[in-house]
Amino acid sequence: GAVVSQHPSWVICKSGTSVKIECRSLDFQATTMFWYRQFPKQSLMLMATSNEGSKATYEQGVEKDKFLINHASLTLSTLTVTSAHPEDSSFYICSAWDRGGAGELFFGEGSRLTVL
Amino acid sequence: DAKTTQPNSMESNEEEPVHLPCNHSTISGTDYIHWYRQLPSQGPEYVIHGLTSNVNNRMASLAIAEDRKSSTLILHRATLRDAAVYYCILRRAGNQFYFGTGTSLTVIP
Repeated sequence: GAVVSQHPSWVICKSGTSVKIECRSLDFQATTMFWYRQFPKQSLMLMATSNEGSKATYEQGVEKDKFLINHASLTLSTLTVTSAHPEDSSFYICSAWDRGGAGELFFGEGSRLTVL
Repeated sequence: DAKTTQPNSMESNEEEPVHLPCNHSTISGTDYIHWYRQLPSQGPEYVIHGLTSNVNNRMASLAIAEDRKSSTLILHRATLRDAAVYYCILRRAGNQFYFGTGTSLTVIP
């Protein structure tokens, strides 16, 4: 089946630094990708919809200047957490929509961010 | 958000069938019903989806009520590997998936 890969799978950084997480669709083209964050023992919260070649659409309450999303190609979207702080520590998960498939949304393995 | 309601947790004995319910009373005519499951520290895994008719695949069956306001995911023989959080999600026109709280399934050996 279709595969979505995230990198890195985990990252530890100092407060105030920026961290970039990549999301790739490995065997299909994804015009739309989605970014989620998940705190321990909670559900996934949709942060933004990433559209290839255009600006991302952010959910209410998500700071677009804090979480920069770039979807420069049909197989790659990146999420940059700018000036990270400990409260940004979370599990970030991307997903990609395979239009040519059976209507499934495929998820990456997730990236765990820890901000010290 | 497309709202779904699921029990917080359920238990099942190994090798017995499991019926995971989901209520989605605000579903619209074009919303698809999707089920995903998630193991700790992993991304969600697709299980099954449907629109109106019941669906079967190698992992599970999906039974959709006639009025579409509820659905049931059926695992025919639960195994220890089926222990996970199961999410019932409505897919709307923009293809965004909004996750509810899900059901944490415990499988008892």
